[in-house]
Amino acid sequence: EAQVTQNPRYLITVTGKKLTVTCSQNMNHEYMSWYRQDPGLGLRQIYYSMNVEVTDKGDVPEGYKVSRKEKRNFPLILESPSPNQTSLYFCASSLVGTSGTYEQYFGPGTRLTVT
Amino acid sequence: TQLLEQSPQFLSIQEGENLTVYCNSSSVFSSLQWYRQEPGEGPVLLVTVVTGGEVKKLKRLTFQFGDARKDSSLHITAAQPGDTGLYLCAVRDDKIIFGKGTRLHILP
Repeated sequence: EAQVTQNPRYLITVTGKKLTVTCSQNMNHEYMSWYRQDPGLGLRQIYYSMNVEVTDKGDVPEGYKVSRKEKRNFPLILESPSPNQTSLYFCASSLVGTSGTYEQYFGPGTRLTVT
Repeated sequence: TQLLEQSPQFLSIQEGENLTVYCNSSSVFSSLQWYRQEPGEGPVLLVTVVTGGEVKKLKRLTFQFGDARKDSSLHITAAQPGDTGLYLCAVRDDKIIFGKGTRLHILP
């Protein structure tokens, strides 16, 4: 089954304790992306990757790191989490359509709480 | 300034009614996408529109891309409770940008 998986689905942690949220896709997509979703602010792109070893900042990259060592995996790293990073996080991977469109498939989400 | 403005923010209607939601911008885009998100899940792509004036139908859902490729509408005919969810439009402007969505609730 074609899918994007994220782990963990739920995480409660404390300020300053490094964490990694994993993302994996089995569709051989080149483009992968991380978003956070907050009430009143909608979905905002954190980082994206056009291909292996190529990553770029989205709209809200501060406090996050990513890596793309393999095509299928795109982990999101919070080196020193803070309470303002409490949010619902989504990973997505994309097929590039014939018109250059990005048809994204989203993971199930990771709900992160930083106390 | 929000690149994509979606309206209305919230809409609650009775089953069987028709409705239209909008996604507007002052910028021109080469394509626009609509997603639906249900509680506790990730967004799911419904449609991509690429040509000005294009109309696409997905069962009871009709999507239209404005002639100037600055706006789009989603019309639902005879709404059903299963249509309940958050409807998001998205464009690619270097990065991928989403509107804040229209939260739709269909009352049985």
